[in-house]
Amino acid sequence: AQRVTQPEKLLSVFKGAPVELKCNYSYSGSPELFWYVQYSRQRLQLLLRHISRESIKGFTADLNKGETSFHLKKPFAQEEDSAMYYCALSPSGANSKLTFGKGITLSVRP
Amino acid sequence: DVKVTQSSRYLVKRTGEKVFLECVQDMDHENMFWYRQDPGLGLRLIYFSYDVKMKEKGDIPEGYSVSREKKERFSLILESASTNQTSMYLCASSRLAANTGELFFGEGSRLTVL
Repeated sequence: AQRVTQPEKLLSVFKGAPVELKCNYSYSGSPELFWYVQYSRQRLQLLLRHISRESIKGFTADLNKGETSFHLKKPFAQEEDSAMYYCALSPSGANSKLTFGKGITLSVRP
Repeated sequence: DVKVTQSSRYLVKRTGEKVFLECVQDMDHENMFWYRQDPGLGLRLIYFSYDVKMKEKGDIPEGYSVSREKKERFSLILESASTNQTSMYLCASSRLAANTGELFFGEGSRLTVL
């Protein structure tokens, strides 16, 4: 069975500071990894996926199969980045059936 | 604009009551999901469906059932609500073939069981 671990519940940084939200996974095959974000009073939505290798809102995430990690990074945090972030895993070919981590609250202070 | 609509945003029910949570999507998606979201526990999958009249158990199906009579509608049923089912319930949908991992979520239904 697959598992997603987000070891921290809360990360508080000042505006302009770098951000790294940690995500580790456990899965025997080739997973697909995602980051979802939920801003205050908004729906949960996809932020980025590893297969796209894209940068969204300044965030990037690299899949490290050796360390089984998919950490989310941003070099300079903005106040509008404050939100709940979830890492999620889908076994390849599993038809979007996602397993989510417990989430982390990012708070960016002015 | 794609839309997943959960009909009830806030519900308060009593222990033992039967509860229906309704979800409708207008994107012609094949897949639909019900998750519950609890602080410190993240999102946990209750049930999902890949097609009309088809359902599969997720990670925490106990105490819940679902119904999918039409492609656009996926209902979550609590046959006899209990206090430990107080939670935020999120419905989501996605395309069958894309497998992009992109789920489209509703705004959530916050259920309180007294």
